[in-house]
Amino acid sequence: AQSVAQPEDQVNVAEGNPLTVKCTYSVSGNPYLFWYVQYPNRGLQFLLKYITGDNLVKGSYGFEAEFNKSQTSFHLKKPSALVSDSALYFCAVRDLGDDKIIFGKGTRLHILP
Amino acid sequence: DVKVTQSSRYLVKRTGEKVFLECVQDMDHENMFWYRQDPGLGLRLIYFSYDVKMKEKGDIPEGYSVSREKKERFSLILESASTNQTSMYLCASKWTGGAYGYTFGSGTRLTVV
Repeated sequence: AQSVAQPEDQVNVAEGNPLTVKCTYSVSGNPYLFWYVQYPNRGLQFLLKYITGDNLVKGSYGFEAEFNKSQTSFHLKKPSALVSDSALYFCAVRDLGDDKIIFGKGTRLHILP
Repeated sequence: DVKVTQSSRYLVKRTGEKVFLECVQDMDHENMFWYRQDPGLGLRLIYFSYDVKMKEKGDIPEGYSVSREKKERFSLILESASTNQTSMYLCASKWTGGAYGYTFGSGTRLTVV
């Protein structure tokens, strides 16, 4: 069965520093991978996805994610954090041939001014 | 862009009331989903629907039912609301085409008193 893990409940980063939010996954076949962001009292907003091709995926708001098949990881990154990046981030995975997406438990990102 | 609209942002209901949460999408998507989100538990799938009048139980269907009479509308019903159903409820619609991601509504924060 497919699964996704976000090992950190919270990540604190100083404004201007690079940030990384970690995600690992487990699927039986080739994965579709997603990152979503949630601001307070709002729904989830799509950030980026990996389907196939280049291992470095660029998304909204300057975020990018690196797909690493050997480590089964899909870490979210940004070169220079902004205070406005503070939010809850969810990694998600879908197995090819499955209609359902499985979400991680989320990582709360705090960007410190 | 796909729009998924949840009719209420905040709701307060009394224990024992029958509660309807409405979700409408505007892109003729077939698959729609209802999740609840609780701190530390991430997103948990309640029910999903892959076509009109079709429904499937998710991971936590107890105490809930759903209705899909029209393709654009997917309703979540709490037959007799209880305090342990106080939560954030998120509706999602699945994209068509190869990417198969979800678009989420803004969420309904339900409080049962």
